Amino acid sequence: AQKVTQAQTEISVVEKEDVTLDCVYETRDTTYYLFWYKQPPSGELVFLIRRNSFDEQNEISGRYSWNFQKSTSSFNFTITASQVVDSAVYFCALSEAWNTDKLIFGTGTRLQVFP
Amino acid sequence: DADVTQTPRNRITKTGKRIMLECSQTKGHDRMYWYRQDPGLGLRLIYYSFDVKDINKGEISDGYSVSRQAQAKFSLSLESAIPNQTALYFCAISDRISNQPQHFGDGTRLSIL
Repeated sequence: AQKVTQAQTEISVVEKEDVTLDCVYETRDTTYYLFWYKQPPSGELVFLIRRNSFDEQNEISGRYSWNFQKSTSSFNFTITASQVVDSAVYFCALSEAWNTDKLIFGTGTRLQVFP
Repeated sequence: DADVTQTPRNRITKTGKRIMLECSQTKGHDRMYWYRQDPGLGLRLIYYSFDVKDINKGEISDGYSVSRQAQAKFSLSLESAIPNQTALYFCAISDRISNQPQHFGDGTRLSIL
């Protein structure tokens, strides 16, 4: 069975601190996708990234970076120099590569960035 | 215009009422989804549709029904609402050919008293 675990329920940091959100997944599939979505206080879900299981290269997008490690079944998300606007709930999700219709979400991590 | 529009955005109703949540899209994508979000539980898939004639149950379909009236419209119904269906509901779309990740609407906050 597929499962996504986000053990950190809530994280609080002060602006400019770096913060890492953990995501551990379980799947028997050899090919799959991993995702991160952001849900700001306004409530909408914003897509951040999708990674294919064949691509273990880390990705950087501005202050955001993602570390994908198949050996530990983890897909962690780091925000560098956090800002108040980063305050949101962040969801990690998993899908089979051949069936991307079934997204399995983690329970989310609420990040609060204080000024 | 938003790619995915959900109506209403907020709804408060009473136990036993029939409720319909509507979702429309302007992207022409073939696949549409309904999820519910509960605090501490993340998002769970209720139903999804590959096209007008193809409806599939998700993880938690009991107590819900759907209708794909057209490629652009996918509605979710609660035939007889109960308080534990109080949640934030999201519609999402995706496209098989382009294989883009699912794109979500802004959500409908439903409260059942």
